[in-house]
Amino acid sequence: EVHLVQSGAEVKKPGESLRISCKGSGYRFTNYYITWVRQMPGKGLEWMGRIDPSDSYTSYSPSFQGLVTISADKSTSTAFLQWNNLKASDSAMYYCARLLVLGHSYGLDYWGQGTLVTVSS
Amino acid sequence: ETVLTQSPDTLSLSPGERANLSCRASQSVSSSHLTWYQQRPGQAPKLLMYGASSRATGIPERFSGSGSGTDFTLTISRLEPEDFAVYYCQQYGTSPPGYTFGQGTKLEIK
Repeated sequence: EVHLVQSGAEVKKPGESLRISCKGSGYRFTNYYITWVRQMPGKGLEWMGRIDPSDSYTSYSPSFQGLVTISADKSTSTAFLQWNNLKASDSAMYYCARLLVLGHSYGLDYWGQGTLVTVSS
Repeated sequence: ETVLTQSPDTLSLSPGERANLSCRASQSVSSSHLTWYQQRPGQAPKLLMYGASSRATGIPERFSGSGSGTDFTLTISRLEPEDFAVYYCQQYGTSPPGYTFGQGTKLEIK
């Protein structure tokens, strides 16, 4: 059975660094892209970017380019989302999700449980 | 960049009724690249439809999708209590490349 398990909730101060993780199991990790999605409190879903775990090629939303770094370690089937300079506005729930490609169609078919990040002084 | 606008923002219906949720794109979107998700309170989103009209694994037949070009619709034929949730459409675009979401439609019990 496919699972994406994310790291636990984090409380950080502005200016600090943070890396959260998403560990895949039950499938060949390198066969599917992993995407990251932000959901701010009471708001909708925002696509942040994706990574191909087979070669670590990344693609970012223009809204998040340069603000976060997505990486992956295929030896541990884990993807990461990293910040070097957190802001209060980064407080949100962050989801990882597996990208399923079906011919010319796409879908995020498995999701992690979410990691709540709180940034407050 | 393609913007997806969903309507209405909130839809109030009763169990057993039919729901039609709209997703309009600012420019033409390939039907292959239009996807729908359901998000219940406190849960991660769930894939409902891909390719605009194909149900994902395990999704009941009361869910259907249609549309092309700039106008897409998610229809729930007879609402069950568990269908009251927030629904998002999403599209894959190439300029710039990415997977944009609509702002969501909240389906609430009347």
